[in-house]
Amino acid sequence: DVQMTQSPSTLSASVGDRVTITCRASQSIGKWLAWHQQKPGKAPKVLIYEASNVQSAVPSRFSGSGSGTEFTLTISSLQPDDFATYYCQYHDRYFGPGTIVDIK
Amino acid sequence: EVQLVESGGGLVKPGGSRRLSCVASGFTFTDAWMTWVRQAPGKGLEWVGHIKSGTASGPTEYAAPVKGRFIISRDDSKNTVYLQMMSLTADDTGVYYCTAAGGWGQGTLVTVSS
Repeated sequence: DVQMTQSPSTLSASVGDRVTITCRASQSIGKWLAWHQQKPGKAPKVLIYEASNVQSAVPSRFSGSGSGTEFTLTISSLQPDDFATYYCQYHDRYFGPGTIVDIK
Repeated sequence: EVQLVESGGGLVKPGGSRRLSCVASGFTFTDAWMTWVRQAPGKGLEWVGHIKSGTASGPTEYAAPVKGRFIISRDDSKNTVYLQMMSLTADDTGVYYCTAAGGWGQGTLVTVSS
């Protein structure tokens, strides 16, 4: 099975900061990677699919890149609504352990 | 707009069974892989399994912890996907989500306890 890891596990940042989260796969997965955002007590929301395609209605400050085994999610200017947990996922299968983005 | 509505959660005794349903709208159901994901209290997201498009009986894939106990099926005439869960244990407790076509349902809580 493909193993997904994320770093960091927790990220403390301020409004306006540029934030980058990394996701690594244990073997090459091409561009079959999605990013999801989840807030406490709520269902997740898809942000990015196929590594770099931004889901409809997702703000343009979110972007994704990478292929093969290393991927990144970037928030260009962190907003108050962005404090949440972020998960990467391989192609409708395995999730990373999540990255909590909290307020510095 | 993609809409996914799960139902069927509740309290189940250890060793018991439960069937969850997810009704979909807003996209072409017959073209979509339908995926079940769960989240134990205070934990991360865990892929449960999925059923690919094109046939009611599979192909399906399952995560190791549920393989042989859970069955995913779909009824394309009803835009509905099912998760039949058997031999449930406390480790199966959590919120179960249906996801497809870039959307997530609101989840349904399954609690396995005596």
